[in-house]
Amino acid sequence: DAGVIQSPRHEVTEMGQEVTLRCKPISGHNSLFWYRQTMMRGLELLIYFNNNVPIDDSGMPEDRFSAKMPNASFSTLKIQPSEPRDSAVYFCASSSTQGALGQPQHFGDGTRLSIL
Amino acid sequence: SQKIEQNSEALNIQEGKTATLTCNYTNYSPAYLQWYRQDPGRGPVFLLLIRENEKEKRKERLKVTFDTTLKQSLFHITASQPADSATYLCALGGGSYIPTFGRGTSLIVHP
Repeated sequence: DAGVIQSPRHEVTEMGQEVTLRCKPISGHNSLFWYRQTMMRGLELLIYFNNNVPIDDSGMPEDRFSAKMPNASFSTLKIQPSEPRDSAVYFCASSSTQGALGQPQHFGDGTRLSIL
Repeated sequence: SQKIEQNSEALNIQEGKTATLTCNYTNYSPAYLQWYRQDPGRGPVFLLLIRENEKEKRKERLKVTFDTTLKQSLFHITASQPADSATYLCALGGGSYIPTFGRGTSLIVHP
């Protein structure tokens, strides 16, 4: 079975440019999460979707960040305009929220973003 | 505020020994705790779940304990192998499906 698929794997761009990260969750999973990982702050939750609806976006750092989930099989995270401090690894994860709490999250292999 | 602490220093052990990693938390009453493994350049991979009413869980060479009085979980790998070298993250969840992750501890198993 295919896992969570993220693209691109690496992105290098200049400050001020728009960046779009993409995610395809595991089929049948109804929850999708976007995380950012840095050495300083570890793994931080940015936004959580349930059944394609944004439930908690309190982790989105500022208005430059936006996320969409137009359907159950696709989500995007956009940064516009990008800044050097946005450099990090961005992970997408999906899980099922049917049944008991504690369902495992399945992560993609991330997008390593470098803003020059 | 909620705080999850994992040792930031790498744990170095010899092959064949038991590795023990610690996850401590404060200002939190988790309903469950998860452990994940992360290899360089890859996303975290789920290993084990333990709920608040469980003391211990085992899976092959892995064992997790959960002490809600001490506010601590211990993660053990018995008969460790160089292939077990990775970063291990704990994640705690309360009354929702959204866990909060610790920053992880790096394990290095020397042959």
